[in-house]
Amino acid sequence: NAGVTQTPKFQVLKTGQSMTLQCAQDMNHNSMYWYRQDPGMGLRLIYYSASEGTTDKGEVPNGYNVSRLNKREFSLRLESAAPSQTSVYFCASRLTVESAGELFFGEGSRLTVL
Amino acid sequence: GENVEQHPSTLSVQEGDSAVIKCTYSDSASNYFPWYKQELGKGPQLIIDIRSNVGEKKDQRIAVTLNKTAKHFSLHITETQPEDSAVYFCAASPMNYGGSQGNLIFGKGTKLSVKP
Repeated sequence: NAGVTQTPKFQVLKTGQSMTLQCAQDMNHNSMYWYRQDPGMGLRLIYYSASEGTTDKGEVPNGYNVSRLNKREFSLRLESAAPSQTSVYFCASRLTVESAGELFFGEGSRLTVL
Repeated sequence: GENVEQHPSTLSVQEGDSAVIKCTYSDSASNYFPWYKQELGKGPQLIIDIRSNVGEKKDQRIAVTLNKTAKHFSLHITETQPEDSAVYFCAASPMNYGGSQGNLIFGKGTKLSVKP
């Protein structure tokens, strides 16, 4: 099993450009998440999808949009990138929001906005 | 909402020594406390977790203790090895909650360095 797969692994954007980070999981999980990780800030939740067809804001949603394309895939879009969005982005999944079970993370996508 | 504080932010130990990382949480409804290890260039990975109905849990060289009264929990690593070097994150969330209450809130992380 591949687990959680994110693409791309690295991306450099100019301010104002748009891009989409892709995420797919093959564990038949219902819940999927997007986090950002910044030095000294830990992991902060951007958006999550408790189940197919639903999405909700997390702690830092401004400047982002998400799409739960199907049960496997959850994408994160930056419509107009800003330098403050330079970060490492992690997609994660778990069985359900209520299960409180293990959260499985992808390897991360390092984004630099110039 | 929940707030998780983690200390220290960096920790350096000699190989074979013990390492202790401490976290405090604010929401008394939280009852699930996992610890994640993040190696360089990788995503975080669960290493151990504890639920509020137990006070301590061990898995080989790793143990976690929980004090619900004081709202703090700790990770203990004994006989540290160079491969234990990584960033460790604690987290807290209430179990069996729908909506945002079920989401994990992470501490800011501890960078552990084990010197050979």
